[in-house]
Amino acid sequence: EPEVTQTPSHQVTQMGQEVILRCVPISNHLYFYWYRQILGQKVEFLVSFYNNEISEKSEIFDDQFSVERPDGSNFTLKIRSTKLEDSAMYFCASGQDRRNQPQHFGDGTRLSIL
Amino acid sequence: SQQGEEDPQALSIQEGENATMNCSYKTSINNLQWYRQNSGRGLVHLILIRSNEREKHSGRLRVTLDTSKKSSSLLITASRAADTASYFCATDRSNFGNEKLTFGTGTRLTIIP
Repeated sequence: EPEVTQTPSHQVTQMGQEVILRCVPISNHLYFYWYRQILGQKVEFLVSFYNNEISEKSEIFDDQFSVERPDGSNFTLKIRSTKLEDSAMYFCASGQDRRNQPQHFGDGTRLSIL
Repeated sequence: SQQGEEDPQALSIQEGENATMNCSYKTSINNLQWYRQNSGRGLVHLILIRSNEREKHSGRLRVTLDTSKKSSSLLITASRAADTASYFCATDRSNFGNEKLTFGTGTRLTIIP
């Protein structure tokens, strides 16, 4: 069964550095999402992406964050000038371009900011 | 309180028993989805129920939705040790039903062999 893959599984970065989290969505999906889960807390929506542009973003998704679909398969989340509070599990998800479809999640990238 | 809250927060039952988890939400929705998360892993989609549906089944899973009470329940019958995980409900309020999900706080289910 096709799945969403994310790399790396764990990223350790110094505060202030930039990180890029990578995702390969399911190939025939056209909706892409990033979520994050701070340890012990709820899964929070960051951003959705459709037709090569952001369709919705949360208040968390400020100028520090950006997303890109650089080619036909990858979907990336860039975090500039990382802060300690950016430490979390980041999940990528994708969904089909049809009404009321489930979102399929990757296994996540655990980001640790030192 | 926030959109999407599950209860109980934690549930321990004997293998073979049924497990019921509940979810409440605050605003109108287009669909509600249940996900499972094994420790340290990603979210696995279990079942999606649309706002005009009242009940849905998938294998040992049964989901109900009561939009008048803004609540849903997930029943796992004949539980197995492998069902040990956290279970989350998530709501989609968009018109197309394909936008952001708002997750609940989750129920941590432990199946005792």
